[in-house]
Amino acid sequence: ELKVEQNPLFLSMQEGKNYTIYCNYSTTSDRLYWYRQDPGKSLESLFVLLSNGAVKQEGRLMASLDTKARLSTLHITAAVHDLSATYFCAVDMKGTYKYIFGTGTRLKVLA
Amino acid sequence: DVKVTQSSRYLVKRTGEKVFLECVQDMDHENMFWYRQDPGLGLRLIYFSYDVKMKEKGDIPEGYSVSREKKERFSLILESASTNQTSMYLCASRKQAGQPQHFGDGTRLSIL
Repeated sequence: ELKVEQNPLFLSMQEGKNYTIYCNYSTTSDRLYWYRQDPGKSLESLFVLLSNGAVKQEGRLMASLDTKARLSTLHITAAVHDLSATYFCAVDMKGTYKYIFGTGTRLKVLA
Repeated sequence: DVKVTQSSRYLVKRTGEKVFLECVQDMDHENMFWYRQDPGLGLRLIYFSYDVKMKEKGDIPEGYSVSREKKERFSLILESASTNQTSMYLCASRKQAGQPQHFGDGTRLSIL
């Protein structure tokens, strides 16, 4: 069974600080996705990582994928309040159309 | 931009009723998904469909069924609603594997 785990589940950080969210998955996959969800809103896509070593950056967020370690990271640089949201990773189960989400990380950036 | 539209934002139903949640996408996407989102449990996959009339069970299909008669529409059916099906329901679509999913705004369903 494919499990996708994120840590931490909750993260409270000061503006201007750096931090990393981790996403571990339990089976072979080379497709990993990051999403953001604002309170009361739906999910929006942030990054799609499709191969080992893939790195994508958008503003203060950078995502990477290590398929051998079955690990993806979402790095936040110099956090700002607007980044406060819940972040989810998700994985395609290889050989199927099935798609599994991680537990989510609720990020709160304090001014 | 891809638009995924869920028919209701809020819905209140009674125990035992048959409930239909509708989802329509306008970008000719092959794959469509239904999730429920509960505090502390994240998003859990109920059913998905990889093409018209095709469906597969997700992780929590019990008490639900789906219908995909047309490519753009994916319906979730609660056969006999129960209070433990009170939740936020999210529909999503994508063109194919390797593409991100696009989500609707969600339906907050309360079963009394």
